[in-house]
Amino acid sequence: DAGITQSPRHKVTETGTPVTLRCHQTENHRYMYWYRQDPGHGLRLIHYSYGVKDTDKGEVSDGYSVSRSKTEDFLLTLESATSSQTSVYFCAIRYTGASTDTQYFGPGTRLTVL
Amino acid sequence: DQQVKQNSPSLSVQEGRISILNCDYTNSMFDYFLWYKKYPAEGPTFLISISSIKDKNEDGRFTVFLNKSAKHLSLHIVPSQPGDSAVYFCAASPFTYSGAGSYQLTFGKGTKLSVIP
Repeated sequence: DAGITQSPRHKVTETGTPVTLRCHQTENHRYMYWYRQDPGHGLRLIHYSYGVKDTDKGEVSDGYSVSRSKTEDFLLTLESATSSQTSVYFCAIRYTGASTDTQYFGPGTRLTVL
Repeated sequence: DQQVKQNSPSLSVQEGRISILNCDYTNSMFDYFLWYKKYPAEGPTFLISISSIKDKNEDGRFTVFLNKSAKHLSLHIVPSQPGDSAVYFCAASPFTYSGAGSYQLTFGKGTKLSVIP
């Protein structure tokens, strides 16, 4: 499972409140990603990081910010949550091996914004 | 504009038969392709990948075929088993200055496979 954990696993919050989701990895992978999964949309990239303090936007970055102050942690923040941000959020790391180059995913965080 | 398309939202197959999942892409810059399987309430898990320099890659019961001229790839599962029932996502990555690989993935919407015992 590439040592990826996400916290919290479930969260219910109200519109307008700030929310921070945490992704933690134990294997010093350089690249980390945040996706959201919604019915009818598959997985869409929100933000990604290619090193400590190095981040960039993905396809659906509006309303989200990220931070990476340590290799092992990648935080996703919703500054003021909206109902359209109700989703399942997945963190991923990029793994490059001798014969493979892929992303491994965490277990997900289910976020409900009321 | 959807760059990776999985046009079949669902597929049902009898146990023991072949499952064929299809994926089309529009971006000519894509040169690395992956398939993931996802069970409910879990994260996607990597199945198999293929680089554009190949047209076929096999791993056990799973084979991916790539037709670059048609911008089409398919995943074959033989024989299909009930445990294969899941949502399958196709993903693609463009060539970047850092080379091919899973640097930045674009996913299709997924196909739900049901294998009937």
